[in-house]
Amino acid sequence: GAGVSQTPSNKVTEKGKYVELRCDPISGHTALYWYRQSLGQGPEFLIYFQGTGAADDSGLPNDRFFAVRPEGSVSTLKIQRTERGDSAVYLCASSLPGASAQYFGPGTRLLVL
Amino acid sequence: GENVEQHPSTLSVQEGDSAVIKCTYSDSASNYFPWYKQELGKRPQLIIDIRSNVGEKKDQRIAVTLNKTAKHFSLHITETQPEDSAVYFCAATRGGGSEKLVFGKGTKLTVNP
Repeated sequence: GAGVSQTPSNKVTEKGKYVELRCDPISGHTALYWYRQSLGQGPEFLIYFQGTGAADDSGLPNDRFFAVRPEGSVSTLKIQRTERGDSAVYLCASSLPGASAQYFGPGTRLLVL
Repeated sequence: GENVEQHPSTLSVQEGDSAVIKCTYSDSASNYFPWYKQELGKRPQLIIDIRSNVGEKKDQRIAVTLNKTAKHFSLHITETQPEDSAVYFCAATRGGGSEKLVFGKGTKLTVNP
């Protein structure tokens, strides 16, 4: 079946602009995660959704970052007033209810100039 | 919070040799430990995982061992092949409402033909 998909695959923006990154999880996966991966590092947790609600947003770095999942499927990560330090690969993962195994999407490579 | 240390950061082996990557974790409540393989520019791919009630798990040429007392776990790859070359990440989570993964910094494995 189809895996986790993310769009766009690449996004170049200017400092101060607003961006939206989209994640489409595997069908039937109620849990959805966002991670951020900087060059040469492991993924860092940002936020976790169980269904429509954010069950854990402790990884969001500041209030410029926000994520939604209004219908419990597709999720959008929103970044306001982007800064050069936001440049990274933003990864989305999903998992089945009650299961721990997380399956990742290909990521969105964000470059803030 | 949880902290995961991973060693070595780089590992070079000859084709056919074994490779071992080690991780330690800090949170004694962690109960799930996956390993991911990430090729350059690609998504992290789940290759094997282990729960805290199991000491060892094997899948063909790869195996993971867990020592709960010492809080460390290891990935073993036997009969390495050039296609095993990638960055490998270990991770840990305590589950219990948020399965957020805490990752190590990764090990770049190179298998020389």
